[in-house]
Amino acid sequence: DIQMTQSPSSLSASVGDRVTITCRASHSISNFLNWYQHKPGKAPKVLIYAASSLQSGVPSRFSGSGSGTDFTLTISSLQPEDFATYYCHQSYSIPWAFGQGTKVEIK
Amino acid sequence: QVQLVQSGAEVKKPGASVKVSCKASGYTFASYDIHWVRQATGQGLEWMGWMNPNSGDTGYAQKFQGRVTMTGNTSINTAYIELNSLRSEDTAVYYCARSDFATLLDYWGQGTLVTVSS
Repeated sequence: DIQMTQSPSSLSASVGDRVTITCRASHSISNFLNWYQHKPGKAPKVLIYAASSLQSGVPSRFSGSGSGTDFTLTISSLQPEDFATYYCHQSYSIPWAFGQGTKVEIK
Repeated sequence: QVQLVQSGAEVKKPGASVKVSCKASGYTFASYDIHWVRQATGQGLEWMGWMNPNSGDTGYAQKFQGRVTMTGNTSINTAYIELNSLRSEDTAVYYCARSDFATLLDYWGQGTLVTVSS
């Protein structure tokens, strides 16, 4: 099974900051890597699919990069509505797996 | 528009079973896999398995093998997850989600809270 490891597990940042979250897969997953945003009481929302493709309707301040085992989600200028938990997700092979999440909090 | 609407919250005793439904609309239900993901309180997202509504094929995470069943009814566009032998650790919000061409989970249900308590 493929394990997904995110870092950091949490971070504090201010509005306007550039934020970077990393995700590492235990085996190569090509570009079968997605990023989700999850807010309390809401369903998760896909931000980035196939490692670097922006989901329709998602602001361009979100971007993704990487392939193989190492991936990055970047928020170029953090906005108030971006405070949430972010998860990476591999869909390369069953069983699918999520990273443990990165909680982005207000500094 | 694509929507997945789940059944309401459940409270169950340890050892009981629970069945959660997920009604799809706005797309051809039989054409997309449905996955189930759960989140226990204070924990991250946990993938449980998938079901193909057309073929009935399923795949479950090892952790839930023997205790979970995922089914679908294409006549009413509804997917189901049934979890047996419930324990307190199964207390969580359960989500159904549509898989877009087996690569990502593009639409999600609103979640169903299942509480297991004596």
